[in-house]
Amino acid sequence: EAGVTQFPSHSVIEKGQTVTLRCDPISGHDNLYWYRRVMGKEIKFLLHFVKESKQDESGMPNNRFLAERTGGTYSTLKVQPAELEDSGVYFCASSESQGAWAKNIQYFGAGTRLSVL
Amino acid sequence: KNQVEQSPQSLIILEGKNCTLQCNYTVSPFSNLRWYKQDTGRGPVSLTIMTFSENTKSNGRYTATLDADTKQSSLHITASQLSDSASYICVVSANFMSGATNKLIFGTGTLLAVQP
Repeated sequence: EAGVTQFPSHSVIEKGQTVTLRCDPISGHDNLYWYRRVMGKEIKFLLHFVKESKQDESGMPNNRFLAERTGGTYSTLKVQPAELEDSGVYFCASSESQGAWAKNIQYFGAGTRLSVL
Repeated sequence: KNQVEQSPQSLIILEGKNCTLQCNYTVSPFSNLRWYKQDTGRGPVSLTIMTFSENTKSNGRYTATLDADTKQSSLHITASQLSDSASYICVVSANFMSGATNKLIFGTGTLLAVQP
């Protein structure tokens, strides 16, 4: 069974440009999460989809970030326009169940390393 | 403030030796605590998950402990192998009953290097 896949693995862009990251979750997983790790810091939550709906987007840094999950399958995260501080590794994860007490295992992709110059 | 702190930041041990990694957290409301292993260039992979009622959980040579009273956890690795070289991340899941996401709060990780 395929795991969570992310594309591209690495993206180098200039400040002011637009970049779109893609995540394909494990087939059948309704829950999809985006996280980000900035250099030297811990991984931080960005947002959570349940199927095609945004369940929680409280971690999105600002309105330059737009996440979509049309059809409830793959998701994209667009950064427009990119700033230097957006550099980091963006991880996507998916899980089957989600509930207040669910020990839902989140399966992570390998991440997209974004470098904004 | 919800926070997860890990120690040490990095650790070098010889192959075959044991080691213990520490995690302290100040997360509320607590749902569960997880240890993840992250190899270089890969995403984190779940090793163990413990709720407040579980004080130990094993996964092969990995044994995690949890003291929910003192809000501390440890990950013990027995008979280390070269393939254990990775970053080990302590993650606490916060349970917000209002219907929002069961958020994962990550530590910065302990970078373990196992040398031959």
